[in-house]
Amino acid sequence: DGGITQSPKYLFRKEGQNVTLSCEQNLNHDAMYWYRQDPGQGLRLIYYSQIVNDFQKGDIAEGYSVSREKKESFPLTVTSAQKNPTAFYLCASSTTGAYGYTFGSGTRLTVV
Amino acid sequence: AQKITQTQPGMFVQEKEAVTLDCTYDTSDPSYGLFWYKQPSSGEMIFLIYQGSYDQQNATEGRYSLNFQKARKSANLVISASQLGDSAMYFCAMREAIIGNQFYFGTGTSLTVIP
Repeated sequence: DGGITQSPKYLFRKEGQNVTLSCEQNLNHDAMYWYRQDPGQGLRLIYYSQIVNDFQKGDIAEGYSVSREKKESFPLTVTSAQKNPTAFYLCASSTTGAYGYTFGSGTRLTVV
Repeated sequence: AQKITQTQPGMFVQEKEAVTLDCTYDTSDPSYGLFWYKQPSSGEMIFLIYQGSYDQQNATEGRYSLNFQKARKSANLVISASQLGDSAMYFCAMREAIIGNQFYFGTGTSLTVIP
């Protein structure tokens, strides 16, 4: 079945550490996205990529980095520069045009 | 200006009753899509319904229907015969086909179904 896989589902990070969240899709979608969601809040765009080897900053890119070396994969690294990384992270993919997103099931990151 | 506005942070509905969740949008792109997603406490985003800007009829999917009023730029979600499992956050979203091809989300409405 086609879909998006995010791993891990839960992640704990010590302060000062970098962590990488995985996002893989087998839908042959060109575009991939990372969103952050805080409790009771909406989704905020971190980074997006519309083509391999290219990506753009979203609204809250500071403290995060991404890569897009393969069409299927769009990992997100939460660096130690991110002051408040505890949040729920959602990955999504889509085709171009006015079509919807397919979302992964999310990763809940907690700083301990 | 906000692209998507959801003015109801929280809503309550009696089980088996219908409920309307409001959404207004702002765009100058003639081609766009409107979406509603449900997010239960588990966090996954579940696609509910889609309305294209050129669609003449309101979209329906089972108990979900989208009340599309283009001139008023509103895309309200109607859930008929509410069930306890409908308790969740609901997000309205829009994607412009031409201008930037960005996807915009509202701030969400928390729906609670009361037995």
